[in-house]
This record gives sequence, C-alpha cells and structure tokens, in this order.
Amino acid sequence: GENVEQHPSTLSVQEGDSAVIKCTYSDSASNYFPWYKQELGKGPQLIIDIRSNVGEKKDQRIAVTLNKTAKHFSLHITETQPEDSAVYFCAASINFGNEKLTFGTGTRLTIIP
Amino acid sequence: SAVISQKPSRDICQRGTSLTIQCQVDSQVTMMFWYRQQPGQSLTLIATANQGSEATYESGFVIDKFPISRPNLTFSTLTVSNMSPEDSSIYLCSVVGSSDTQYFGPGTRLTVL
Repeated sequence: GENVEQHPSTLSVQEGDSAVIKCTYSDSASNYFPWYKQELGKGPQLIIDIRSNVGEKKDQRIAVTLNKTAKHFSLHITETQPEDSAVYFCAASINFGNEKLTFGTGTRLTIIP
Repeated sequence: SAVISQKPSRDICQRGTSLTIQCQVDSQVTMMFWYRQQPGQSLTLIATANQGSEATYESGFVIDKFPISRPNLTFSTLTVSNMSPEDSSIYLCSVVGSSDTQYFGPGTRLTVL
C-alpha cells in the first residue's frame, strides 16, 4: 500500500520568513495530494491540494509543488504569520478525494514573533 | 465545502463500555470515512461508511470492535466497543465534497480510563 513520509517533524520559523514542508510517496498510482492544517483541538482543515496533471498550484501565501518522477511534493508558506502556527499533514490518494487518504506523520510549525 | 458536525465533541469513558459517535453533514454526500488519530500521531483510516451496505474496513480494524452505520447520505455513526485505554484517540469523520476533496469534521476526543 501507499506510504507517505513527511519532513521535518518540527519547524520553527521567524515571522515573515518562509516555511517549506516536504513529503514523499511510494505508490506511483497516487494522483491527488492534499495538505491539511490542524490547530489544537480542531479537525484537519484542507488548505490546498494538487492533482497529478499539474506541477504547481498557488493560493495567496501558500503553494504546493509536485514532482511525479521523484514522487515528492512540497508545501511552501511565504510571509509567515503567527496564525500559521499549527500541525500540517500531507496526504496522498489514488482516486482524488474519493478514496482513502494516506497521511504523512505531520509537521509542527511554530512561527516566532 | 460541506459543514460537518460530530457528537459528542469529547467524552471520558470507563474501560469495557462502548461509545457511539455521530457524524452529521449538511448536504447529501456519497463518500464518508472514519479516521482515528492517536495522541500526537497522524490520521489512520478505520473504514469507509457505505450507505445501505456494510462498511469497508481497513487492515487492523474489525466490525466487532468498530461497528459503523450509514442509514442515509447525510449521517453515520461509529461505535467503539468494549473500550480499553488504547482506544483513547480523536475519532474523525470525513466526507467527499463536490470537487472530489475530503473535508473533516471537528473530531470526537475520547479518553478511556
């Protein structure tokens, strides 16, 4: 089955700087890669996703890149703000969101004011 | 995106007892899933809740321990049976929205003593 690895497990970034979180996946059939943000005491919130037919997607300060050949994808957050502090999870699926999501182990991002 | 509610939001239970968690969506959805998030860990799929038929369980999860009902396209329940402290986790339901993306409920935080 699919295996998703995520790095780093913790990340501290000065406010205003950029943060990058990286994930690798094992199943070449995976075609959908969402990112979720989980704040303390809440459920995961979808922040951005990318499908295998594109290499990059951007939404304001957040961007995701996908390298299908290398089987890795990354989350980029620019101009970080204190409210970006949370745990971020990457995931992969073989049928967009209609199938099980296999999650990475999570990255605890702390923005230092 | 769909609005998802879960009941209860949290509970503390004695070992050997059972707890039923409800998931309600504000619109009809085809796909509903139940995930478990153990303390400080990532999310693991328990099962796919199928409307009108038995749920489809992932490896390591069985119907006797986690019976699931899905009577219609907006509602599902997950029961955690004969609980032990190892069942202490956050239980999350998710649904697939119109854009083939998965959205999560707020979760049910279960502590078993």
